Amino acid sequence: GNSVTQMEGPVTLSEEAFLTINCTYTATGYPSLFWYVQYPGEGLQLLLKATKADDKGSNKGFEATYRKETTSFHLEKGSVQVSDSAVYFCALRDRGSTLGRLYFGRGTQLTVWP
Amino acid sequence: EAGVAQSPRYKIIEKRQSVAFWCNPISGHATLYWYQQILGQGPKLLIQFQNNGVVDDSQLPKDRFSAERLKGVDSTLKIQPAKLEDSAVYLCASSLQELAGEQFFGPGTRLTVL
Repeated sequence: GNSVTQMEGPVTLSEEAFLTINCTYTATGYPSLFWYVQYPGEGLQLLLKATKADDKGSNKGFEATYRKETTSFHLEKGSVQVSDSAVYFCALRDRGSTLGRLYFGRGTQLTVWP
Repeated sequence: EAGVAQSPRYKIIEKRQSVAFWCNPISGHATLYWYQQILGQGPKLLIQFQNNGVVDDSQLPKDRFSAERLKGVDSTLKIQPAKLEDSAVYLCASSLQELAGEQFFGPGTRLTVL
């Protein structure tokens, strides 16, 4: 089946620290991969995506590379800011399906201190 | 452009009571999704509509949950009767296209069942 495993949180960092949030997946087909972010009191927002192996998604200083050989899509940022404090969700969608269902990981809470 | 609207934002009920949630998707979005997000878990799809037709309700507990999208625009999700384990955030999302379109999420309705 389809599933996503994220590293356990919470993650607490100082401003300007390097961030990595690990994400691995299991998929029956050939998935598209996503990172969503949820700021306090708001809905989930798409942060970045990658649709095929070796693609790199990037946005707002965040990056993630689709690694088919390790079935991973780790999120990284070189220098986090207080405003990056949020919950981050890794997700996949089966491109072989005619449906749009997203499969989400548990989410990782990130807190950045000044 | 207005985002996905949901109401109410919070609801507290007792077990065995009924509850309904409302979602108004982004104008022109044909596909609408309802997800359930239990505390500490990622969102899980309950039901997906394409216009006013159901395309995926395989994860919907049909003995107590129902949903409709009569005019292909806004949607309601109902739980009758509610159980303690239904306590969760109910997220509505919409997309322009069924498979390739980005899903835009509303702020969610937080349900507490006592």
